[in-house]
Amino acid sequence: EDKVVQSPLSLVVHEGDTVTLNCSYEVTNFRSLLWYKQEKKAPTFLFMLTSSGIEKKSGRLSSILDKKELFSILNITATQTGDSAVYLCAAETGTASKLTFGTGTRLQVTL
Amino acid sequence: NAGVTQTPKFQVLKTGQSMTLQCAQDMNHNSMYWYRQDPGMGLRLIYYSASEGTTDKGEVPNGYNVSRLNKREFSLRLESAAPSQTSVYFCASNKPGQGAGANVLTFGAGSRLTVL
Repeated sequence: EDKVVQSPLSLVVHEGDTVTLNCSYEVTNFRSLLWYKQEKKAPTFLFMLTSSGIEKKSGRLSSILDKKELFSILNITATQTGDSAVYLCAAETGTASKLTFGTGTRLQVTL
Repeated sequence: NAGVTQTPKFQVLKTGQSMTLQCAQDMNHNSMYWYRQDPGMGLRLIYYSASEGTTDKGEVPNGYNVSRLNKREFSLRLESAAPSQTSVYFCASNKPGQGAGANVLTFGAGSRLTVL
């Protein structure tokens, strides 16, 4: 059975802090690892990672994949209150682009 | 550009009632998906349709049926609702391919269903 585990489950930080969110996976026929941000409604896409060791970056957010150790991290530097959300990671498997999601990390950024 | 549209946004049902969640996408995507999201459980795949005319079970298909009406529309039906089906339902779509970003799902805004 495909499995994706995220840690921590929740996190409270002060504005300006740096946070690291973790995602490990055990799936068959792995294709890619995706990160999504979910605020009030639908998840919105952040990153897709297919190759080990290549950092993807978008502003204060960055992510990297380790296909040997089967994990990914999402870093957020200089956090802002607008970063408060649930961050989901998902492993894409198979030919039908099925995604197996982790339970998410709930991040709260306080002033 | 609407993307993925789900209706209704909210619904309250009594146990045993039936209902259909509607989903339509205007991005010419081939594949469509139905997920449910429960606290502490993440998003779980109910059914998916890799292309028009095909449907397949996901992780939690029991109690649900789906119809891929055409390329744009993918509906989810609860024939006899149960309290365990209280959840937030998300429809999503993509156009699987080899290019970077081709497999990224676009989600609808979600439908909150409560079964009493």
